[in-house]
Amino acid sequence: DVHLVESGGGLVQPGGSLRLSCSASGFIFKDFEMNWVRQAPGKGLEWVSYISSDGKIIYNTDSLKGRFSVSRDNAKNSLFLQMNSLRAEDTAVYYCARGSSTIRHAFDVWGQGTVVTVSS
Amino acid sequence: DIHMTQSPSFVSASVGDKVTISCRASQRIGSWLAWYQQTPGKAPKLLIYAASTLQTGVPSRFSGSGSGTDFTLNISSLQPEDFATYYCQQANSFPVYTFGQGTKLEIK
Repeated sequence: DVHLVESGGGLVQPGGSLRLSCSASGFIFKDFEMNWVRQAPGKGLEWVSYISSDGKIIYNTDSLKGRFSVSRDNAKNSLFLQMNSLRAEDTAVYYCARGSSTIRHAFDVWGQGTVVTVSS
Repeated sequence: DIHMTQSPSFVSASVGDKVTISCRASQRIGSWLAWYQQTPGKAPKLLIYAASTLQTGVPSRFSGSGSGTDFTLNISSLQPEDFATYYCQQANSFPVYTFGQGTKLEIK
């Protein structure tokens, strides 16, 4: 079975940092582009970051203003999101999601999400 | 930036009804559109990509249409498990994506 499992969420104070991880299994991780998507409590989905299959191309949503950084380790089938200078508005469930050119870059596999709460 | 607007934001329907959800893009996106279903506490699930192609395993009562700026998701005969929130997503500006604000489908 194809699986994505996020970890690393938790409670952090404003201005703090957190590193999320996403562990992939059941597919050839290095062949797929990956994304982070977040969902604030009671709100809709917001795309956060993209990383190409080889890790060389990275895009983030403009609103982050460089505070977040996506990376991956294909040897360990893992995706990461380094989040710095966290704000209350970053409180959300964070999902990792697999994209593929064969499905017009839609997201066909999602993790269960990890909760990030930014509060003092 | 491409902005996606869904309508309606809420819809009430009964089991067996047909439902249509609309999604409009702020500029032309060809057929670079996907639809997702999300139930409370769960991750989104891909239903349709390329505006009208059904993802493997998705029931045929779901269908998508449209191109350019206007798109629709149709559910032909609602089942109890279809009551959820639906999102459209554009990939025309790949690898920068935008989701619609969501449409919540509730039981009447």
